[in-house]
Amino acid sequence: AQTVTQSQPEMSVQEAETVTLSCTYDTSESNYYLFWYKQPPSRQMILVIRQEAYKQQNATENRFSVNFQKAAKSFSLKISDSQLGDTAMYFCAFMKPGNQFYFGTGTSLTVIP
Amino acid sequence: SAVISQKPSRDICQRGTSLTIQCQVDSQVTMMFWYRQQPGQSLTLIATANQGSEATYESGFVIDKFPISRPNLTFSTLTVSNMSPEDSSIYLCSGGRQGNTEAFFGQGTRLTVV
Repeated sequence: AQTVTQSQPEMSVQEAETVTLSCTYDTSESNYYLFWYKQPPSRQMILVIRQEAYKQQNATENRFSVNFQKAAKSFSLKISDSQLGDTAMYFCAFMKPGNQFYFGTGTSLTVIP
Repeated sequence: SAVISQKPSRDICQRGTSLTIQCQVDSQVTMMFWYRQQPGQSLTLIATANQGSEATYESGFVIDKFPISRPNLTFSTLTVSNMSPEDSSIYLCSGGRQGNTEAFFGQGTRLTVV
């Protein structure tokens, strides 16, 4: 079975600063994908960034980057130059072939002006 | 990409009644899924909606309680049957294409059972 763990229920960061959200996962699959999704109060799930497990290079997407440690089964998200619009719930997710997702419990991020 | 429309966006229902949630995708997707998100919690997969056949349910979810239909590659429904206050939750559908790692989500249906 796949499990995804986010150990930080809530975090806050000053505007323009950098914050890192943690995620660990457990799986016996060799081929999988990892994601960070953002869920603002509108409830819309928005893809932030994805990482293919077979790629050693960490994914980056503008101000968002990940630190993927496959052996440690760790997948943290770094948000640089935090903006007020980054305030949201962030979910780490694991996907195995077949598009079935498993989500962590989420981290509520507040960006403070 | 794909855009998923869900309706209703919210509803307040009496216990013992049933509600059917519709999920419409603007293009064909191979996979469709239904999730439940209880207040302040993460998304839990209810079932995979299979086109033309019975849905595949996760542990803890049964067809009698959550019947699902998927008549084609762009549409699915989830019914929450014989509702109780414990069914109060957000229900989201998502879609994806085989070989494509991105999942598309609807905006969810906020259900309150009184």
